[in-house]
Amino acid sequence: DAGVIQSPRHEVTEMGQEVTLRCKPISGHDYLFWYRQTMMRGLELLIYFNNNVPIDDSGMPEDRFSAKMPNASFSTLKIQPSEPRDSAVYFCASSPLLVQPQHFGDGTRLSIL
Amino acid sequence: AQKVTQAQTEISVVEKEDVTLDCVYETRDTTYYLFWYKQPPSGELVFLIRRNSFDEQNEISGRYSWNFQKSTSSFNFTITASQVVDSAVYFCALIYNQGGKLIFGQGTELSVKP
Repeated sequence: DAGVIQSPRHEVTEMGQEVTLRCKPISGHDYLFWYRQTMMRGLELLIYFNNNVPIDDSGMPEDRFSAKMPNASFSTLKIQPSEPRDSAVYFCASSPLLVQPQHFGDGTRLSIL
Repeated sequence: AQKVTQAQTEISVVEKEDVTLDCVYETRDTTYYLFWYKQPPSGELVFLIRRNSFDEQNEISGRYSWNFQKSTSSFNFTITASQVVDSAVYFCALIYNQGGKLIFGQGTELSVKP
Protein backbone atom coordinates (compact mmCIF):
# COMPACT_ATOMS: atom_id res chain seq x y z
CA ASP A 1 0.00 0.00 0.00
CA ALA A 2 1.18 3.49 -0.77
CA GLY A 3 2.01 5.62 2.22
CA VAL A 4 1.43 9.33 2.64
CA ILE A 5 2.83 11.12 -0.37
CA GLN A 6 4.15 14.65 -0.16
CA SER A 7 5.46 16.95 -2.84
CA PRO A 8 7.80 18.54 -3.45
CA ARG A 9 10.54 16.91 -1.37
CA HIS A 10 12.60 20.07 -1.44
CA GLU A 11 11.66 23.66 -2.17
CA VAL A 12 13.94 26.65 -2.29
CA THR A 13 12.39 30.00 -3.01
CA GLU A 14 12.87 33.66 -2.35
CA MET A 15 11.20 35.63 0.37
CA GLY A 16 7.82 36.96 -0.67
CA GLN A 17 7.00 34.14 -3.04
CA GLU A 18 3.98 31.90 -2.64
CA VAL A 19 4.74 28.33 -1.59
CA THR A 20 2.36 25.42 -1.98
CA LEU A 21 2.98 22.08 -0.34
CA ARG A 22 0.93 19.05 -1.35
CA CYS A 23 -0.15 15.89 0.39
CA LYS A 24 -1.96 12.72 -0.56
CA PRO A 25 -3.05 10.77 2.53
CA ILE A 26 -3.40 7.03 2.82
CA SER A 27 -6.68 5.90 1.30
CA GLY A 28 -9.33 5.32 3.94
CA HIS A 29 -7.72 7.53 6.54
CA ASP A 30 -10.23 10.10 7.79
CA TYR A 31 -7.71 12.34 9.53
CA LEU A 32 -5.02 14.45 7.94
CA PHE A 33 -2.43 16.47 9.82
CA TRP A 34 0.11 19.12 8.86
CA TYR A 35 3.22 19.50 11.06
CA ARG A 36 6.24 21.74 11.00
CA GLN A 37 9.62 20.66 12.38
CA THR A 38 12.38 23.05 13.33
CA MET A 39 15.39 22.72 15.59
CA MET A 40 14.12 25.43 17.91
CA ARG A 41 10.48 24.38 18.25
CA GLY A 42 10.56 20.67 17.48
CA LEU A 43 7.46 19.10 15.93
CA GLU A 44 4.44 21.38 15.93
CA LEU A 45 0.96 20.56 14.75
CA LEU A 46 -0.27 23.29 12.42
CA ILE A 47 -3.74 22.03 11.51
CA TYR A 48 -5.72 18.85 11.18
CA PHE A 49 -8.73 17.77 9.16
CA ASN A 50 -11.42 15.18 9.75
CA ASN A 51 -13.29 14.04 6.67
CA ASN A 52 -11.91 17.03 4.76
CA VAL A 53 -13.13 19.54 7.36
CA PRO A 54 -10.57 21.61 9.32
CA ILE A 55 -10.98 20.81 13.00
CA ASP A 56 -8.16 22.62 14.77
CA ASP A 57 -6.04 25.28 13.11
CA SER A 58 -4.79 26.87 16.31
CA GLY A 59 -1.23 25.93 15.41
CA MET A 60 -1.19 27.90 12.17
CA PRO A 61 1.37 30.62 12.80
CA GLU A 62 -0.42 33.53 11.15
CA ASP A 63 -2.64 34.56 8.30
CA ARG A 64 0.12 33.93 5.81
CA PHE A 65 -0.54 30.22 6.26
CA SER A 66 -3.60 28.49 4.87
CA ALA A 67 -4.56 24.86 4.37
CA LYS A 68 -7.26 23.20 2.32
CA MET A 69 -8.54 19.73 1.77
CA PRO A 70 -10.83 19.77 -1.27
CA ASN A 71 -11.31 16.00 -1.22
CA ALA A 72 -10.33 12.91 0.71
CA SER A 73 -7.20 12.30 -1.30
CA PHE A 74 -5.57 15.70 -1.46
CA SER A 75 -4.54 18.56 0.79
CA THR A 76 -2.44 21.69 0.36
CA LEU A 77 -0.59 23.94 2.74
CA LYS A 78 0.07 27.38 1.33
CA ILE A 79 2.33 30.14 2.57
CA GLN A 80 1.86 33.57 1.05
CA PRO A 81 4.01 35.61 1.28
CA SER A 82 6.82 33.38 2.49
CA GLU A 83 9.47 34.59 4.94
CA PRO A 84 12.90 33.18 5.90
CA ARG A 85 11.56 32.13 9.30
CA ASP A 86 9.19 29.74 7.55
CA SER A 87 12.17 27.59 6.60
CA ALA A 88 11.54 24.17 8.11
CA VAL A 89 10.56 20.62 7.28
CA TYR A 90 6.83 20.28 6.79
CA PHE A 91 5.24 16.90 7.35
CA CYS A 92 1.86 15.62 6.38
CA ALA A 93 0.39 12.64 8.25
CA SER A 94 -2.82 10.67 8.17
CA SER A 95 -4.62 8.22 10.42
CA PRO A 96 -7.89 6.26 10.43
CA LEU A 97 -8.94 7.63 13.82
CA LEU A 98 -7.60 10.47 15.93
CA VAL A 99 -6.04 8.19 18.55
CA GLN A 100 -4.59 5.67 16.13
CA PRO A 101 -1.01 5.92 14.91
CA GLN A 102 -0.34 8.67 12.42
CA HIS A 103 1.54 7.71 9.30
CA PHE A 104 3.88 10.40 8.09
CA GLY A 105 5.02 11.38 4.64
CA ASP A 106 8.68 11.93 3.88
CA GLY A 107 8.31 15.67 4.45
CA THR A 108 9.04 18.77 2.41
CA ARG A 109 12.25 20.60 3.25
CA LEU A 110 11.47 24.27 2.65
CA SER A 111 14.12 26.95 2.45
CA ILE A 112 13.13 30.58 2.10
CA LEU A 113 16.02 32.80 1.07
CA ALA B 1 -2.33 20.38 30.23
CA GLN B 2 -0.65 17.64 28.26
CA LYS B 3 3.11 17.50 28.23
CA VAL B 4 5.81 15.05 27.22
CA THR B 5 9.35 15.35 28.51
CA GLN B 6 12.34 13.57 27.07
CA ALA B 7 15.10 14.75 29.34
CA GLN B 8 17.89 13.10 27.38
CA THR B 9 18.74 15.31 24.44
CA GLU B 10 21.55 13.13 23.12
CA ILE B 11 22.82 9.67 23.94
CA SER B 12 25.91 8.05 22.50
CA VAL B 13 26.64 4.35 22.90
CA VAL B 14 28.87 1.77 21.36
CA GLU B 15 27.35 -1.00 19.30
CA LYS B 16 25.95 -3.93 21.30
CA GLU B 17 25.33 -1.82 24.36
CA ASP B 18 21.82 -1.65 25.79
CA VAL B 19 20.29 1.81 25.94
CA THR B 20 17.12 3.19 27.54
CA LEU B 21 15.36 6.29 26.32
CA ASP B 22 13.27 8.02 28.96
CA CYS B 23 9.83 9.53 28.47
CA VAL B 24 7.79 11.22 31.18
CA TYR B 25 4.33 12.55 30.46
CA GLU B 26 1.73 14.75 32.12
CA THR B 27 -1.99 14.52 31.61
CA ARG B 28 -5.11 14.91 33.74
CA ASP B 29 -7.06 12.52 31.57
CA THR B 30 -7.63 8.93 32.57
CA THR B 31 -7.78 7.66 29.01
CA TYR B 32 -4.85 8.49 26.81
CA TYR B 33 -2.44 6.96 24.32
CA LEU B 34 1.32 7.00 24.20
CA PHE B 35 3.48 6.55 21.13
CA TRP B 36 7.08 6.19 20.11
CA TYR B 37 8.33 7.33 16.71
CA LYS B 38 11.75 6.98 15.12
CA GLN B 39 13.28 9.58 12.83
CA PRO B 40 16.40 8.19 11.10
CA PRO B 41 18.93 10.49 9.40
CA SER B 42 16.94 10.21 6.17
CA GLY B 43 14.26 12.30 7.88
CA GLU B 44 11.04 10.31 7.76
CA LEU B 45 9.03 9.62 10.90
CA VAL B 46 8.36 5.96 11.55
CA PHE B 47 5.75 4.72 14.00
CA LEU B 48 7.08 2.16 16.48
CA ILE B 49 4.42 1.51 19.12
CA ARG B 50 1.17 2.72 20.67
CA ARG B 51 0.06 2.05 24.23
CA ASN B 52 -3.26 2.96 25.82
CA SER B 53 -3.54 4.05 29.43
CA PHE B 54 -5.32 0.89 30.51
CA ASP B 55 -2.64 -1.46 29.30
CA GLU B 56 0.43 -1.44 31.49
CA GLN B 57 1.87 -4.63 30.11
CA ASN B 58 5.41 -4.27 28.92
CA GLU B 59 5.97 -5.02 25.28
CA ILE B 60 8.89 -6.60 23.51
CA SER B 61 9.48 -6.58 19.80
CA GLY B 62 12.81 -8.07 18.83
CA ARG B 63 15.52 -5.91 20.33
CA TYR B 64 13.00 -3.23 21.32
CA SER B 65 11.07 -3.19 24.58
CA TRP B 66 8.82 -0.67 26.24
CA ASN B 67 8.14 -0.18 29.95
CA PHE B 68 4.92 1.69 30.74
CA GLN B 69 4.43 2.71 34.38
CA LYS B 70 1.43 4.84 35.26
CA SER B 71 2.66 5.27 38.84
CA THR B 72 5.61 7.28 37.58
CA SER B 73 3.95 8.58 34.38
CA SER B 74 6.72 7.07 32.34
CA PHE B 75 6.90 5.18 29.06
CA ASN B 76 10.53 4.22 28.58
CA PHE B 77 12.03 2.57 25.54
CA THR B 78 14.94 0.15 25.68
CA ILE B 79 17.04 -1.06 22.78
CA THR B 80 18.98 -4.22 23.57
CA ALA B 81 22.26 -4.91 21.81
CA SER B 82 22.14 -1.65 19.90
CA GLN B 83 23.22 -1.47 16.27
CA VAL B 84 24.47 1.37 14.10
CA VAL B 85 21.15 1.30 12.22
CA ASP B 86 19.42 2.30 15.46
CA SER B 87 21.02 5.74 15.20
CA ALA B 88 18.12 8.16 14.95
CA VAL B 89 16.07 10.70 16.83
CA TYR B 90 13.37 9.03 18.89
CA PHE B 91 10.17 10.85 19.82
CA CYS B 92 7.70 10.01 22.54
CA ALA B 93 4.17 11.40 22.06
CA LEU B 94 0.84 11.60 23.88
CA ILE B 95 -2.79 12.08 22.87
CA TYR B 96 -5.83 11.88 25.12
CA ASN B 97 -9.00 10.06 24.26
CA GLN B 98 -11.23 13.08 23.87
CA GLY B 99 -9.23 14.28 20.95
CA GLY B 100 -6.84 17.11 20.61
CA LYS B 101 -3.33 17.23 19.42
CA LEU B 102 -0.65 14.60 19.43
CA ILE B 103 1.90 16.15 21.77
CA PHE B 104 5.50 15.27 20.98
CA GLY B 105 8.48 15.36 23.27
CA GLN B 106 11.59 17.17 22.11
CA GLY B 107 13.20 13.94 21.01
CA THR B 108 16.32 12.03 22.01
CA GLU B 109 19.09 11.74 19.47
CA LEU B 110 20.69 8.33 19.73
CA SER B 111 24.07 7.75 18.19
CA VAL B 112 25.32 4.17 18.03
CA LYS B 113 28.99 3.95 17.15
CA PRO B 114 30.62 0.86 15.68
